[in-house]
Amino acid sequence: GAGVSQSPSNKVTEKGKDVELRCDPISGHTALYWYRQRLGQGLEFLIYFQGNSAPDKSGLPSDRFSAERTGESVSTLTIQRTQQEDSAVYLCASSTPSEGTGELFFGEGSRLTVL
Amino acid sequence: AQSVTQLGSHVSVSEGALVLLRCNYSSSVPPYLFWYVQYPNQGLQLLLKYTSAATLVKGINGFEAEFKKSETSFHLTKPSAHMSDAAEYFCAVSRGTSYGKLTFGQGTILTVHP
Repeated sequence: GAGVSQSPSNKVTEKGKDVELRCDPISGHTALYWYRQRLGQGLEFLIYFQGNSAPDKSGLPSDRFSAERTGESVSTLTIQRTQQEDSAVYLCASSTPSEGTGELFFGEGSRLTVL
Repeated sequence: AQSVTQLGSHVSVSEGALVLLRCNYSSSVPPYLFWYVQYPNQGLQLLLKYTSAATLVKGINGFEAEFKKSETSFHLTKPSAHMSDAAEYFCAVSRGTSYGKLTFGQGTILTVHP
């Protein structure tokens, strides 16, 4: 596709369940980022993948959060044993690795509601 | 550590009036600074960026921002607001050399009245 694609667009789950969110980046973009946007707040960095390098997981809020990416393609963000405070919009972005450009291309997000 | 403060969670202007959205940052290294815009039901898109070149940066849709190191500011302006400018605007600073690891402000919702 032409842009970053995320699925599902909306997910309602019960507390304690696991959820998986998917991101399909723009073809050729080697860098992929996950951000979280809680209601009324700015975006929080979660994790960063660059090519085949080890991911930067410094923003993951707890060990219930994990993400995978195979090569330079699709990424999956997994939240285990969801809590109500996990309710947020999860945004994926991709970019080329050129130093200094700084332009991230964002998907429309996956809205997660934990009941 | 970096941080970003956007003054005013909501700004309302009349069509044709000046738009001024304020952003102040803190950074321990020379920053890269960005403004992103999120239109209703759309993903964020880059409006403009400062990467240590010219301090006055021009972006899309007539927006511009000026980097003022002495004031640690990067305010966004547009001389004349259009109805189509109604959106949420986010200021962001890069986290060191990993330019895509951004620290975002809390966002400012711009409303434009006819």
